[in-house]
Amino acid sequence: ETGVTQTPRHLVMGMTNKKSLKCEQHLGHNAMYWYKQSAKKPLELMFVYNFKEQTENNSVPSRFSPECPNSSHLFLHLHTLQPEDSALYLCASTPLGLTTGELFFGEGSRLTVL
Amino acid sequence: AQSVSQHNHHVILSEAASLELGCNYSYGGTVNLFWYVQYPGQHLQLLLKYFSGDPLVKGIKGFEAEFIKSKFSFNLRKPSVQWSDTAEYFCAVKDTDKLIFGTGTRLQVFP
Repeated sequence: ETGVTQTPRHLVMGMTNKKSLKCEQHLGHNAMYWYKQSAKKPLELMFVYNFKEQTENNSVPSRFSPECPNSSHLFLHLHTLQPEDSALYLCASTPLGLTTGELFFGEGSRLTVL
Repeated sequence: AQSVSQHNHHVILSEAASLELGCNYSYGGTVNLFWYVQYPGQHLQLLLKYFSGDPLVKGIKGFEAEFIKSKFSFNLRKPSVQWSDTAEYFCAVKDTDKLIFGTGTRLQVFP
């Protein structure tokens, strides 16, 4: 148990569906992240939020739309995805500025796009 | 932009063998370096980190890493691996307020 909870753990969707991934942290952190983990590739940073404000969008396609309503919750809205978007999506949080260098990760949401 | 590279993609060892996983980073200035581990079906977690000071850093579960500035390296070591060390290991470098990860090394340890 890391204090970072991701739901759903597994998701299968068609290319025309709309779905959302949810991340919740109970650690009092002010920074939250979305990473994409694909086989044989580096973990890819997608988005960074500090105090609910997006501070990084790592050239992510617009079919991925993040939302951070407060410092404890982070969503990733998915729309018109492609099969190559199938991956494990990881949420992480940390105190603002990554001062300790430690990211606290959730267990991930395994996405399969058919 | 900073980057890290891990050259060993898949390592297979027997229990009690020694382990060294390579990690090289790209930036020549002050760096903060990390090793994370992901056990099967579990979340990524911090194994050890280097910010400054002693270049030999000790982490959890008997792991250590050595920061060698002249070689741009931060290799992970363990003198004697156990079956429970089977996992994926990621090297990372801090870039302002985010971590940049390598491709990971999958370690399989057989009894």
